[in-house]
Amino acid sequence: AQSVTQLDSHVSVSEGTPVLLRCNYSSSYSPSLFWYVQHPNKGLQLLLKYTSAATLVKGINGFEAEFKKSETSFHLTKPSAHMSDAAEYFCVVSDQGTGGFKTIFGAGTRLFVKA
Amino acid sequence: GAVVSQHPSRVICKSGTSVKIECRSLDFQATTMFWYRQFPKQSLMLMATSNEGSKATYEQGVEKDKFLINHASLTLSTLTVTSAHPEDSSFYICSATAPGQSRFDEQFFGPGTRLTVL
Repeated sequence: AQSVTQLDSHVSVSEGTPVLLRCNYSSSYSPSLFWYVQHPNKGLQLLLKYTSAATLVKGINGFEAEFKKSETSFHLTKPSAHMSDAAEYFCVVSDQGTGGFKTIFGAGTRLFVKA
Repeated sequence: GAVVSQHPSRVICKSGTSVKIECRSLDFQATTMFWYRQFPKQSLMLMATSNEGSKATYEQGVEKDKFLINHASLTLSTLTVTSAHPEDSSFYICSATAPGQSRFDEQFFGPGTRLTVL
């Protein structure tokens, strides 16, 4: 069965320091993986996606993520946090499982950025 | 490109009334749209998948008679919450995939509709 686990419900960093948001997944087939960001009372915006091409994926706003099949991970990173990065981040897996096509959202990680 | 809008952005209604939420793809034709609900400080949960011209596919546990979905055109899907109750209060978000995309591709999300049932 497919599942997505975001290991941290909250992450707090200082402005200018690196960001690491962790995501592990389980999938029976070859999944597509996404990171979305949601600012308060706003819709979701795609940061980046992995769809079986390069394992290191670069996204918008300086974010990137690396697909590691052996570790079933797809962690999101950014070298230097900005105040505007404070938001909720969702790791998402889309996969064709035994029960049909599924899109599953992780529980979300709220990123706080301190000045 | 690939903009999705929702209307209204906020709605407050009395218990027992019905509320319709519209989801529109503004600059593309969306053969597939998705409806999610999000409770405060929680993740999105897929309610149903809507394909233009056919019946929606509901996720397990979602009452199809309570959450009526209509996808009559390639740019519009509607979600009607019938006989709404306070427990239906939530943030409802729609998304769509663009032509040529598979379901494994990214979804374009609307800004969401905050429903409050008194």
